[in-house]
Amino acid sequence: GAGVSQSPSNKVTEKGKDVELRCDPISGHTALYWYRQSLGQGLEFLIYFQGNSAPDKSGLPSDRFSAERTGGSVSTLTIQRTQQEDSAVYLCASSLDSSGNEQFFGPGTRLTVL
Amino acid sequence: RKEVEQDPGPFNVPEGATVAFNCTYSNSASQSFFWYRQDCRKEPKLLMSVYSSGNEDGRFTAQLNRASQYISLLIRDSKLSDSATYLCVLTSGTYKYIFGTGTRLKVLA
Repeated sequence: GAGVSQSPSNKVTEKGKDVELRCDPISGHTALYWYRQSLGQGLEFLIYFQGNSAPDKSGLPSDRFSAERTGGSVSTLTIQRTQQEDSAVYLCASSLDSSGNEQFFGPGTRLTVL
Repeated sequence: RKEVEQDPGPFNVPEGATVAFNCTYSNSASQSFFWYRQDCRKEPKLLMSVYSSGNEDGRFTAQLNRASQYISLLIRDSKLSDSATYLCVLTSGTYKYIFGTGTRLKVLA
């Protein structure tokens, strides 16, 4: 597709369940980012990928959060044993490379943990 | 001091008005600067990049002042559709993007 896509668009889950969120970046973009945005708040950086490697995982809030990227394209963010405070919109963005080009965002996944 | 600071607003302006937002930053080594707009419950979308020489895109003008470490966005002839939150974004290091918390604009009929 022309833009960044994410799935699912909405996810409601019960506390303690695991969830997987998917991001498909713009074709040819080597840099991929995950952010989290709680209602009325700014963007919180989670993790950055350059190609398949993740040189910066510093924003992951706990070891329940992990992410991978395969083939330098699709990325999956996994949250294990979800908690209510994990409820937020999870946004994925990609950019051509890591030289400060503009980022393009996907529509996000709205996660609700009951 | 926060890396990026923006007045949260809201700025309530009538249609046709000119409005300006500033954003200050603390890292003098930042290289790239952007303005994004974010509509309610939507993802941020790139509005424009900001260059040292200043740049204009239709009704929108962006300026960068490296000496005073701020960027600005000017919107002329405001439209109802300009109502959104405007995010100041800059790079920190080679790959990291720092987002301001945004300035909320409401254009009133």
